[in-house]
Amino acid sequence: SQQGEEDPQALSIQEGENATMNCSYKTSINNLQWYRQNSGRGLVHLILIRSNEREKHSGRLRVTLDTSKKSSSLLITASRAADTASYFCATDSSSFQGGSEKLVFGKGTKLTVNP
Amino acid sequence: ETGVTQTPRHLVMGMTNKKSLKCEQHLGHNAMYWYKQSAKKPLELMFVYNFKEQTENNSVPSRFSPECPNSSHLFLHLHTLQPEDSALYLCASSKGLGTGELFFGEGSRLTVL
Repeated sequence: SQQGEEDPQALSIQEGENATMNCSYKTSINNLQWYRQNSGRGLVHLILIRSNEREKHSGRLRVTLDTSKKSSSLLITASRAADTASYFCATDSSSFQGGSEKLVFGKGTKLTVNP
Repeated sequence: ETGVTQTPRHLVMGMTNKKSLKCEQHLGHNAMYWYKQSAKKPLELMFVYNFKEQTENNSVPSRFSPECPNSSHLFLHLHTLQPEDSALYLCASSKGLGTGELFFGEGSRLTVL
């Protein structure tokens, strides 16, 4: 069943602009992760934020997590054409549901950065 | 290069064929996963293996048969598939269950005619 839902579904910006993608989820989580996927390729892990963290940075990426609103955002600053890809959030609720590791992915945001 | 290798990258098969997808990870991880990615749908978890034992079968039809001979190799055996099974099949691994980051292969693009 789908847990995370990204918004917007598609985003088109100019190089140098910032890109913000949002993710909303329904149940309590252990952590939330963001992944990137270039067209037709595998997913690449970008960043993991735990439920007791509010903000995390990695290079040009900034992720926030608001557990009270069950939402997260991914900000890419000073975007480049090479950032063009789909971005997915994935939630891990395994510590709450029990059983095995089960990352549940959203449908993704398709980001296009125009040169 | 993520350390997870999937073969073949592309596969076309008829509904009566039998084929297999292979995944190998060189990361020393203990958990391996199969995901299915169809157009306009979220990634669907299919199977989870931990120390080569299956820990999750997400109600996958029996025409998909996984095999995990050791912690480094994972197979997905395919037989009598349907056209709606056409998708990108992604293999992933992690250090262990509940240890966060997944490392994905490049995927096997399957087309069922």
